[in-house]
Order: sequence, then structure tokens, then C-alpha cells
Amino acid sequence: GDSVTQMEGPVTLSEEAFLTINCTYTATGYPSLFWYVQYPGEGLQLLLKATKADDKGSNKGFEATYRKETTSFHLEKGSVQVSDSAVYFCALADSWGKFQFGAGTQVVVTP
Amino acid sequence: GAGVSQSPRYKVAKRGQDVALRCDPISGHVSLFWYQQALGQGPEFLTYFQNEAQLDKSGLPSDRFFAERPEGSVSTLKIQRTQQEDSAVYLCASSAELGRSYEQYFGPGTRLTVT
Repeated sequence: GDSVTQMEGPVTLSEEAFLTINCTYTATGYPSLFWYVQYPGEGLQLLLKATKADDKGSNKGFEATYRKETTSFHLEKGSVQVSDSAVYFCALADSWGKFQFGAGTQVVVTP
Repeated sequence: GAGVSQSPRYKVAKRGQDVALRCDPISGHVSLFWYQQALGQGPEFLTYFQNEAQLDKSGLPSDRFFAERPEGSVSTLKIQRTQQEDSAVYLCASSAELGRSYEQYFGPGTRLTVT
């Protein structure tokens, strides 16, 4: 079956550091890929998405590129802020829109 | 506009009790999904609906779990004879249509604690 693997946390960074969260997937067919974010005390929110190979999703300074050859969708941000502290979830959607989530990566940004 | 709402936000049940969790999706959204999220884990798929039709219930852990969406809008997830392993956050999500390109909008979740 489909699955998503993302790097374990917590990832602790200083403000203005570069952030990368690795995400790889296995899937039959051609899934769409998503990053969701969960801020403390809040619900899951869509951060960005890509629906086909080589697409780049971007939002709020975050980027991720759908790499079919490496089955990856790594999340990056060039300069993190304290407000980026959250849990980040990588997910794929199959042709029916059924989501498979990774386990989540907690990011802690210190001033 | 209004997002996905869930009630109650917190529920404490004694082992063996039945519980009912409600989800109000975004108005007009065709698809509705239920997930179970254990502490420190990602959401795990339970079931989903397209309008009132339940298309996939393969993720329901046991026959104690039952979901319905009789009029294609509000949905209820019912857990009978709750067990301690049912303790988790139950998330509801809706999307405008069914398909891989459509993002899901999540509610705040119901945190169920079984004592």
C-alpha cells in the first residue's frame, strides 16, 4: 500500500537558519503530494501542494518539489522564524483523494 | 467563511460507554473524511464519504466503529463499547470534490480519553 516516511524530530534550529525536512513516499499510480502544518493548539493547515512530477509548491517562504525519480517531496525554507515552530506533516493523496500521512516532524526554532 | 467544526472538542468516556462524535463540514463540500491521530503520530485514515455514500471504511479499527452521513452534510462517528486503545484525537476533514488534486480542510478534532 501507499506510505509516507519523513524524518524524525524534533528538529531544533536557530532563527534565520535553513530548514530541510525530508519526505519520501511509495505509491501506486500518480499521487498528489502535500505538506500540512500544525501550530501549537491549532488544527492541521495546508502549507503547500504539488500534483504532478517536477511541480514546485510554495507558500510563506516554504518550498517543496515533487521528484518522481527519487520519490521525494522535501520541504525547505531558507530562513526560519520563531513563528515557524510547529509540527509538519508530509502526505500523499491517491486518485480518490484518500490521504496517507507521515508521522510528523516537530520543528523548534529558538531566538 | 466557516471552516470545519467538530463537537465535542473533548470527551472523556468510561470504558464500555458508547460515544458519538460530530463533524460539520464546509458547506457544499462533497467529500468528508475521518482520521484517528494517536499522540505523536500522523493522522490515520478511518473512512470517507462522497455525499451520503460511504465509499471506503477500510480504516475502521473494528466493528465497534461506525460512521454515517445520512443527508450528505453532517457526519457522525460512533464508537461502541469504548476501549482504552480508542483514546486519540479524531479528525474530520472535508474537500470540495473527490480526487487527488483537492486539498482537505481539517477541523480542530475531538480528543477522546477513555478511562
